Amino acid sequence: SQQGEEDPQALSIQEGENATMNCSYKTSINNLQWYRQNSGRGLVHLILIRSNEREKHSGRLRVTLDTSKKSSSLLITASRAADTASYFCATDRIGAGNMLTFGGGTRLMVKP
Amino acid sequence: EPEVTQTPSHQVTQMGQEVILRCVPISNHLYFYWYRQILGQKVEFLVSFYNNEISEKSEIFDDQFSVERPDGSNFTLKIRSTKLEDSAMYFCASSERQGWRDRYGYTFGSGTRLTVV
Repeated sequence: SQQGEEDPQALSIQEGENATMNCSYKTSINNLQWYRQNSGRGLVHLILIRSNEREKHSGRLRVTLDTSKKSSSLLITASRAADTASYFCATDRIGAGNMLTFGGGTRLMVKP
Repeated sequence: EPEVTQTPSHQVTQMGQEVILRCVPISNHLYFYWYRQILGQKVEFLVSFYNNEISEKSEIFDDQFSVERPDGSNFTLKIRSTKLEDSAMYFCASSERQGWRDRYGYTFGSGTRLTVV
């Protein structure tokens, strides 16, 4: 798979349920970031986890990072209809300068 | 909260025409970027800009593209002769010093949807 691949590609859940999205990458990273995009809109930075961190929380978001498996997960707890969006992981790769490499994203639909 | 502002939000242009996409990064940020997202595809890096020069660019950023910081606030992306395949959402982003970026990431604008007809 390519750098920054999310799975699943699409996820549909009921309001109140938890949503888990996964991201895998191939090369060593400085950090991994998660972004949200509402349909056709801009990218909103959600959370950044550094390569020496294993878990990070922000409100209803929980991100884990396993550098040995080159994978990360984003958990949204107690989801709301307003969480409906696409979620992208992006890696800040070692040796890649200042660029982010984005994955293909997970389209999350939260049904009221 | 400070924002990255992009104008216009939507631009339609004829193939072969030049377009300039404009961005106003956050005022105390030092690093500026352009990314693009073709409909239904991944967000792709185009170029990064620091200290008034290009620091990195991708294969996509060919001679048709150029960037400029004409004054202290604007950051522009010019496409000299647009092609149909340039149709995409173009995102500007900015970040503060390196240490900040490593801790807090980037701030993206809401994008300019470019449609080449």
